[in-house]
Amino acid sequence: GENVEQHPSTLSVQEGDSAVIKCTYSDSASNYFPWYKQELGKRPQLIIDIRSNVGEKKDQRIAVTLNKTAKHFSLHITETQPEDSAVYFCAANAGGTSYGKLTFGQGTILTVHP
Amino acid sequence: DVKVTQSSRYLVKRTGEKVFLECVQDMDHENMFWYRQDPGLGLRLIYFSYDVKMKEKGDIPEGYSVSREKKERFSLILESASTNQTSMYLCASSLLSGFGGHEQFFGPGTRLTVL
Repeated sequence: GENVEQHPSTLSVQEGDSAVIKCTYSDSASNYFPWYKQELGKRPQLIIDIRSNVGEKKDQRIAVTLNKTAKHFSLHITETQPEDSAVYFCAANAGGTSYGKLTFGQGTILTVHP
Repeated sequence: DVKVTQSSRYLVKRTGEKVFLECVQDMDHENMFWYRQDPGLGLRLIYFSYDVKMKEKGDIPEGYSVSREKKERFSLILESASTNQTSMYLCASSLLSGFGGHEQFFGPGTRLTVL
């Protein structure tokens, strides 16, 4: 089955700095890669996703890049703010299925210091 | 507004008890999922369902079963609770996608403690 590895497990930055979280996946048939943000005590929520037919997607301060050849994708947050502090999860779908099953990474605890 | 609800936010049970966790979604989604969340392990899929009465094992199904009698409701059952099943349980739902994936909407979670 699919295996998703996420790094780093913790990331500490100063407000205004950029943050990058990286994930690798194992199933070359995977074609959907979402990122979820989970604030303390809250449910995970989708912040951005990318499909395999594009290499990059941007939404204001958040961007995701995908390298299908290397089987890795990354989340980039620019001009970080304290409210970006949360746990971030990457995920990849199970290739070849239309059921939408996702395999999640282990999570990255991002702390933005004012 | 999208809504996924779970029957309890906190639950305390004794070893050996049968435990039912309920999840309801009001978005007419075909897919429903049960995950457990443990620190450092991310979200691990226990079971999922893509239609009424249909179910598929996830990555960690041992010790669990599920039931989906109606489209909007997906239940997770711990047949005989054990202390290693103490965890946060998250339910999610999504559309059935012909292109591999759709946003999953999560419930608020149930923190289960087995004593």
